[in-house]
Amino acid sequence: DIVLNQSPDSLAVSLGERATINCKSSQSVLSSSNSKIYLAWYQQKPGQPPKLLIYWASTRESGVPDRFSGSGSGTDFTLTISSLQAEDVALYYCQQYYSVPHTFGQGTKLEIK
Amino acid sequence: EVQLVESGGGLVQPGGSLRLRCAASGFTFSSHWMGWVRQTPGKGLEWVANIKQDGSEKNYVDSVKGRFTISRDNADNSLYLQMNSLRAEDTAVYYCARGLYSCAFVFDSWGQGTLVTVSS
Repeated sequence: DIVLNQSPDSLAVSLGERATINCKSSQSVLSSSNSKIYLAWYQQKPGQPPKLLIYWASTRESGVPDRFSGSGSGTDFTLTISSLQAEDVALYYCQQYYSVPHTFGQGTKLEIK
Repeated sequence: EVQLVESGGGLVQPGGSLRLRCAASGFTFSSHWMGWVRQTPGKGLEWVANIKQDGSEKNYVDSVKGRFTISRDNADNSLYLQMNSLRAEDTAVYYCARGLYSCAFVFDSWGQGTLVTVSS
């Protein structure tokens, strides 16, 4: 199974500042056949199900604010929130869908400093 | 509006069975991969299983293979998870989720979840 390790486990950022969450995969999730990166990011607020933010490592889901962006290649990926808003306080998970089982990272808790 | 509503959770003894149902509405159910993801209280997400639009392909995490069966009824817009030989470690909130049309294996809509507790 592909293991995803997120860092840090928790993060406190001031409002308006940049937040960066990392996700490292135990093996590449880049497909050689279509050159696509099989990695997604989700946001989960307390008492709610996860919400899809990013897929194909950098494609923003419809309706997601453009302050959220995804980047990376091969095995190292980053979710960046360019200017933190109060409503961004949540848990964030990366997920690989390159191979079954489609594993998730352990999550990163984002708080306001 | 897309809606996914899970039901069938509850308290069950170790070794027992439960059948979860996810009632889908607001979209063409038969056009989407569907899946189940679980979350242990206070902990992270675990992908459990998914199923192709016509039910011809099913995938499972190793820890549930041979015990859980995912299925769907496109005529009834329903997704199911039959869970047998339940263990304490299966205790979790189980979410039903829809595969994104353009990227089938990511989940763009989720239900609110149903709690399964395995305990004597």
